[in-house]
Amino acid sequence: AQSVTQPDIHITVSEGASLELRCNYSYGATPYLFWYVQSPGQGLQLLLKYFSGDTLVQGIKGFEAEFKRSQSSFNLRKPSVHWSDAAEYFCAVVGIQGAQKLVFGQGTRLTINP
Amino acid sequence: SQTIHQWPATLVQPVGSPLSLECTVEGTSNPNLYWYRQAAGRGLQLLFYSVGIGQISSEVPQNLSASRPQDRQFILSSKKLLLSDSGFYLCAWSVQTEAFFGQGTRLTVV
Repeated sequence: AQSVTQPDIHITVSEGASLELRCNYSYGATPYLFWYVQSPGQGLQLLLKYFSGDTLVQGIKGFEAEFKRSQSSFNLRKPSVHWSDAAEYFCAVVGIQGAQKLVFGQGTRLTINP
Repeated sequence: SQTIHQWPATLVQPVGSPLSLECTVEGTSNPNLYWYRQAAGRGLQLLFYSVGIGQISSEVPQNLSASRPQDRQFILSSKKLLLSDSGFYLCAWSVQTEAFFGQGTRLTVV
């Protein structure tokens, strides 16, 4: 069964600084990979996804993520964060075979310092 | 376009009372449907998922159950709520892997 690990529970960065949120997955093959963002008390919004092809994917709000098969990672990056990026970020995977469960990591809470 | 409706948005229930949360999807057919719970600081825990009418898979043993009486309707239930059932419940649907979420239900068991 697939699983996802987000090693960082909470990250604080200054506004304008670069950001990288880590995500590692466990699955027997290459799964489908996602990053979602959740503002307080809200549902989840899809930032970007990887199915196949180019391993660097671009998403909304200036985010990008890079799939690295050798490291089983799908880290999320942004070159310059804005105060409005403060939120909780979730990495998720779906196995490409079987019932296609969507499984999430524990999430990383991002705080932005002015 | 596809939409997902989840209600109620907030709910306060006493311990031992029953629960019914409903989720409906519009604009798609035969979606995969999911119920997640988000407890404070614990991320999104998959509770149930369904690939078709009457087909429910439970991910964790618990006090809750799920049903799918119609293709686009997914219900989360409990006969007797526990304090530990408090949390933020999210319904989601997916077709060919990408998932879309409802706005969630904040359940407080008192």
